[in-house]
Amino acid sequence: KNQVEQSPQSLIILEGKNCTLQCNYTVSPFSNLRWYKQDTGRGPVSLTIMTFSENTKSNGRYTATLDADTKQSSLHITASQLSDSASYICVVTRMDSSYKLIFGSGTRLLVRP
Amino acid sequence: DTAVSQTPKYLVTQMGNDKSIKCEQNLGHDTMYWYKQDSKKFLKIMFSYNNKELIINETVPNRFSPKSPDKAHLNLHINSLELGDSAVYFCASSWTSGEKLFFGSGTQLSVL
Repeated sequence: KNQVEQSPQSLIILEGKNCTLQCNYTVSPFSNLRWYKQDTGRGPVSLTIMTFSENTKSNGRYTATLDADTKQSSLHITASQLSDSASYICVVTRMDSSYKLIFGSGTRLLVRP
Repeated sequence: DTAVSQTPKYLVTQMGNDKSIKCEQNLGHDTMYWYKQDSKKFLKIMFSYNNKELIINETVPNRFSPKSPDKAHLNLHINSLELGDSAVYFCASSWTSGEKLFFGSGTQLSVL
């Protein structure tokens, strides 16, 4: 069954601290994996895309990793800021006869001063 | 210069009513989508249009009818609204299926 599971469901950290969000997937055949950030009351915005051959990709303080063998991805946030408070959604693209996006339920991150 | 804009932002209505949500994108994308985000925050695809042609129609009640007058617009009409239709509906667009999605800011629908 094609699924994307994220952990933790929610996370509270202090400003300036680092954190890591996890994404495990069983989607096959795999095309790519994206991390989206969704601020409260807004639509998701793409942070990174990882293809099968990529292990690490950075976007500012966000670093995504992908282990295609274990079907795991992580999103590491360095030196968190209050504006990082949002939901982070892992989305895996399945490619067979057509593309299909499989969404995780997200991790809600709250950064406190 | 909002890339994907949807209106209204909030929609509160009574059960049994008919309502529409409008979506427009100015990115020149070929593909547009409607997603439903439920209370558990799962985003579920409802419909996808490519160049005004319906390409994805997930298991959605036929009370929901998308309409794409041109490739920059994809509207969602809902007939006979039910309590379970309460959710946030997101419009999105991309160059082609499977590419990065650009989302609108959502329409929060509350059916009373």
